[in-house]
This record gives sequence, C-alpha cells and structure tokens, in this order.
Amino acid sequence: DGGITQSPKYLFRKEGQNVTLSCEQNLNHDAMYWYRQDPGQGLRLIYYSQIVNDFQKGDIAEGYSVSREKKESFPLTVTSAQKNPTAFYLCASSAQINQPQHFGDGTRLSIL
Amino acid sequence: GIQVEQSPPDLILQEGANSTLRCNFSDSVNNLQWFHQNPWGQLINLFYIPSGTKQNGRLSATTVATERYSLLYISSSQTTDSGVYFCAVENDYKLSFGAGTTVTVRA
Repeated sequence: DGGITQSPKYLFRKEGQNVTLSCEQNLNHDAMYWYRQDPGQGLRLIYYSQIVNDFQKGDIAEGYSVSREKKESFPLTVTSAQKNPTAFYLCASSAQINQPQHFGDGTRLSIL
Repeated sequence: GIQVEQSPPDLILQEGANSTLRCNFSDSVNNLQWFHQNPWGQLINLFYIPSGTKQNGRLSATTVATERYSLLYISSSQTTDSGVYFCAVENDYKLSFGAGTTVTVRA
C-alpha cells in the first residue's frame, strides 16, 4: 500500500542528545514537510522540501535540522539546541508544492 | 503570517445531530484543507477545497474565498466523528493551521 511511514511511534531523549525521526513515503511525491504539534494546539511547520537536495525553513526551524538526499526520505533531527522538544511530530507529503498534503501517523517525543 | 481562527473551540453533540464548524482566515489563500484528527493522533484528509462546495457522505464543506471563510458541515453525527477538526490554509507554499474544533459525539 502507498503511504507515509514514520518511525518510531514513541521516542525518548535524554538531555543534551540529538535524535533523528524517520519519514519515508512511497507515493512518489516531490514535496515533503515536518510539523510539530503541542497539546491542544494546531500544527506548526518546521521544515519543508520541494525537491531532492533542497529544503526550506518553516516557522519554527530553530533547534532542528533536515536532509533530503532521496526523494522518498526526509529525516528530521531534533538537536540539543531545541530546548523544549517534547511534542508530537508529523511528517507529510504532497505530489508537488501547493497540492493536498497527506500525513503519516506521527512520532511522540519525550524528554527523560 | 496568515491568521486562521476556528470556531467553536469545543462542540458536544448528541448522536444524530447536525453541526457547522467555521474557519476564518486573514488573507487570500491558494488552497484550504479540512482534516480530522482521531484520538490516536492520526490526521485524515477530509476536503481540499480552495473554493466552492464539496460533499463526501455525511460531511460537506463550503469555502467562500472572497470573504475569507470556510464551513464544515457534519450531518447525522456518529460517535466515530469525535476528534479534533482542523482547517489549514496554504499561502506562500506553507500550510497554516487553526487551533482546531474539538467535537465530542455522545451516544
């Protein structure tokens, strides 16, 4: 089945550690996105990528980094510079920028 | 950036009731999507509706782009309709989300 796979579902981080969240899609979509959701709030855009080897900062990129070396993969690294990383992280993709976005099931990140 | 306001913030319905959710946005947009987030966090596309009216089963949506609002209608609500409904507007390649409407349907 085509879709977007995020892993792991749950992730725990110690203070000072970097962690990487995986997002893979087999929809042959050009554009991919990372969002953060805090309790009781809507989603906020962290980074997006229109094509391979290109990505742009969203509204809350500080403390995060991404790469887009392959069309199907868009991993997100939460660095130690992100002071409040506990949140629900959602990855999305769309055929092209400006097309409907479809979401993975998310990763819940918590600080130990 | 563009502001997206959803109302009401919370809605409690008896099974079988109808309801209307509203989304107002502060600037012209290229596109608008409605999503349903279930209790497990999964975000499901409901409508991609930059303008006009669409229907999908018991749900329908109308966007009046010139007046900067969209409405989501739920008819004959069921307990499985419970969850958070988000409106998101696209402007300058980015989706901006409202804070959502939390819908609780009681049997």
